[in-house]
Amino acid sequence: KQEVTQIPAALSVPEGENLVLNCSFTDSAIYNLQWFRQDPGKGLTSLLLIQSSQREQTSGRLNASLDKSSGRSTLYIAASQPGDSATYLCAVRGAGSYQLTFGKGTKLSVIP
Amino acid sequence: DAGITQSPRHKVTETGTPVTLRCHQTENHRYMYWYRQDPGHGLRLIHYSYGVKDTDKGEVSDGYSVSRSKTEDFLLTLESATSSQTSVYFCAIQQGLGNQPQHFGDGTRLSIL
Repeated sequence: KQEVTQIPAALSVPEGENLVLNCSFTDSAIYNLQWFRQDPGKGLTSLLLIQSSQREQTSGRLNASLDKSSGRSTLYIAASQPGDSATYLCAVRGAGSYQLTFGKGTKLSVIP
Repeated sequence: DAGITQSPRHKVTETGTPVTLRCHQTENHRYMYWYRQDPGHGLRLIHYSYGVKDTDKGEVSDGYSVSRSKTEDFLLTLESATSSQTSVYFCAIQQGLGNQPQHFGDGTRLSIL
């Protein structure tokens, strides 16, 4: 059974810092990996999706990498802003599966 | 934002009563999903649909049923609600099963007393 772990559970950084969020998964037979952002009381917003054949994806200040063989993904946020404060979730879709398996998230606070 | 509307947004009800949550989409996407989100567990898949009248179980389907009579609507029913079903419920849609992201609604906060 796929398990997805995100460490740390919470992170606090000063505005302007570059930061990395980590995601690890136990079964490397994945179809893709998706990073989401969740604001309090809201649904999930899709940030980036990395296909199993890709190494990274970029969108603006966000860069997500994937190392399938080691079961790891990172989300890099450049020049963090208070508006980046949210919970970030990683989700993995298994090969041949409809299902997304989610991590429990990293709660990010960017301090002005 | 993806055109997904969940209703109601909040509901409080009593143990043993039936509850139906609705997910409505305006995107004409084929795939629809129901998740629940609980502290300490993250999001878990309850049921999903891969077309009108085509549904299947997810990881935590016990106590839940679903129906999809038209493309735009996916209903989640708790036949006899229990306190363990107190949770935040999210609907998601997906255009296809290739490398396309799932898009989520804003959730329904359900409290069962």
